[in-house]
Amino acid sequence: DIVMTQSPDSLAVSLGERATINCKSSQSVLYSSNNKNYLAWYQQRPGQPPKLLIYWASARESGVPDRFSGSGSGTDFTLTISSLQAEDVAVYYCLQYYGTPRTFGQGTKVEIK
Amino acid sequence: QVQLQQSGPGLVKPSQTLSLTCAISGDSVSSNSAAWNWIRQSPSRGLEWLGRTYYRSKWYNDYTPSVKSRITIYPDTSKNQFSLQLNSVTPEDTAVYYCARDLPNRGGSENPTFDYWGQGTLVTVSS
Repeated sequence: DIVMTQSPDSLAVSLGERATINCKSSQSVLYSSNNKNYLAWYQQRPGQPPKLLIYWASARESGVPDRFSGSGSGTDFTLTISSLQAEDVAVYYCLQYYGTPRTFGQGTKVEIK
Repeated sequence: QVQLQQSGPGLVKPSQTLSLTCAISGDSVSSNSAAWNWIRQSPSRGLEWLGRTYYRSKWYNDYTPSVKSRITIYPDTSKNQFSLQLNSVTPEDTAVYYCARDLPNRGGSENPTFDYWGQGTLVTVSS
């Protein structure tokens, strides 16, 4: 199985400031034949299912604010919230869909400082 | 717009079978591009993908190794739904269970991963 490890487990950021979450995979999720990273980011608010933010490591899902961006390749990835808003308080997960079983990171809780 | 509606009991006794159903609207369980997944979430195990069923001229299944001996995911084409059965449950199987769709064959610029989710069902394993 591909193990996904996120850091930090939690972070507190002031409103309007940048939040950065890291995700590392135990093996590369870059598929050489199409040069795509099989990595997604999800946001989960309490009592709700996860909501897709980013796929292909950096493609923003329709309707997702442009303050959310994804970067990275191979085994190291980052989700950045450029200017934290109150509604961004949530837990964020990375997911690899390179192979089965699909595996998620353990989650990063984002709070307001 | 795709909607997934989950149903099933919230309490299961140890050693018995957990059964949940996910009714699909706005897509077909027999779609040649979609896959239909079950995912669970607990404080101890986080988000855990359990498995999927999908149709590509015939039916296929994939399961995560940790539950492979106890799990069955199967479609019901007459009702456009799919179901999860997990046998011999223990308290460690207590979790919120979600169904979800993905489109794993998508390439290009389109999203291939879990886009629509059910509302979640808390299943508690307890006597």
